[in-house]
Amino acid sequence: AQSVTQLGSHVSVSEGALVLLRCNYSSSVPPYLFWYVQYPNQGLQLLLKYTSAATLVKGINGFEAEFKKSETSFHLTKPSAHMSDAAEYFCAVAGGTSYGKLTFGQGTILTVHP
Amino acid sequence: EAQVTQNPRYLITVTGKKLTVTCSQNMNHEYMSWYRQDPGLGLRQIYYSMNVEVTDKGDVPEGYKVSRKEKRNFPLILESPSPNQTSLYFCASSFTDSNQPQHFGDGTRLSIL
Repeated sequence: AQSVTQLGSHVSVSEGALVLLRCNYSSSVPPYLFWYVQYPNQGLQLLLKYTSAATLVKGINGFEAEFKKSETSFHLTKPSAHMSDAAEYFCAVAGGTSYGKLTFGQGTILTVHP
Repeated sequence: EAQVTQNPRYLITVTGKKLTVTCSQNMNHEYMSWYRQDPGLGLRQIYYSMNVEVTDKGDVPEGYKVSRKEKRNFPLILESPSPNQTSLYFCASSFTDSNQPQHFGDGTRLSIL
């Protein structure tokens, strides 16, 4: 079975500050990992994905994430937050026998203060 | 434009009145899935389909039905809705490889009174 834990249901940062959203996963097989973003009243949009190539993955809107197998982590970062980054962020894992299935974390709401 | 289209976007209805939420994708994806999103629980999979006429239960299938008669469509059916099915629902589609990202619709907010 696969699972995802996102540490912190709410994260608040100032505009221009570092954004760090934490994600830890559990998987019995090499995982595929994803970060999605959800803006108000919209569906989920893919930010980035890890599929066993480079461990540092760059995504859209200046976000990146680093896969650390030893720590079973896939934390999302952005050097400088913008007001437009305010949204809910979901980490998800796929792979193995759960063919095509995404297992999501609980989500982290990011608030950006001026 | 590549998209997943859900209808309706919003629906308020009463307990026991059958309803269908439609989902259509134009990307020729084999895999389609329904999720429900509840605060603090993330998204949980209801049903999924690997291809036409192939469907299977996800994590929370009770009270829901699906069908996949055509590749592009994957409707979600609530035969006898109950208040605990009040939620935000998302349809998603992708190619079948697990490393392929899923494309999501804009969501359907259901309120069952």
